[in-house]
Amino acid sequence: EAGVAQSPRYKIIEKRQSVAFWCNPISGHATLYWYQQILGQGPKLLIQFQNNGVVDDSQLPKDRFSAERLKGVDSTLKIQPAKLEDSAVYLCASSRGGLAHSTDTQYFGPGTRLTVL
Amino acid sequence: EDQVTQSPEALRLQEGESSSLNCSYTVSGLRGLFWYRQDPGKGPEFLFTLYSAGEEKEKERLKATLTKKESFLHITAPKPEDSATYLCAVQARVFNDMRFGAGTRLTVKP
Repeated sequence: EAGVAQSPRYKIIEKRQSVAFWCNPISGHATLYWYQQILGQGPKLLIQFQNNGVVDDSQLPKDRFSAERLKGVDSTLKIQPAKLEDSAVYLCASSRGGLAHSTDTQYFGPGTRLTVL
Repeated sequence: EDQVTQSPEALRLQEGESSSLNCSYTVSGLRGLFWYRQDPGKGPEFLFTLYSAGEEKEKERLKATLTKKESFLHITAPKPEDSATYLCAVQARVFNDMRFGAGTRLTVKP
């Protein structure tokens, strides 16, 4: 089966600009996650969707970050305006996720590497 | 405070030299402990899930074990293609998300 798809793979922007990332999960997976991975650290969850509803966005900086999952499939993550400390890899993952907080295996996409200058 | 701590930060091995990576966790009410492998420029790749103390899982040269306080990833007779960063993560009843350690960067020299 096809894996999690993300685009773009790389993005370079100036601080205060806006940027958007796209994710297409594995077909049939109900739960979708966005993670931020800063260099040298493990991924940190930003937001979790189950179908098209938000399950957990407690670690999402809502003053500048937003995310949506239209029709319970694709998702976009937006940053507006970007700061220098937003430079990181943004990973999307999906799981079958019948339950909101299950321990289903999460499958990750290749990530988008964002550099903010 | 850190809930998941991985050691060592980096490990260099000769091909065939077996070793272990450690993941210690401080959370109570563990629901699952996960091991992932991450190659440069790629997303994490799932290896194992462990649910309870005493559980063990194997895949090729890798074997993961779990106690009440830590997990070990044993690598037997590693090959250069095993070079990667190995990430450990936990899910617990006190929080809903998967919390990752910083990883161990493994290099296997031929």
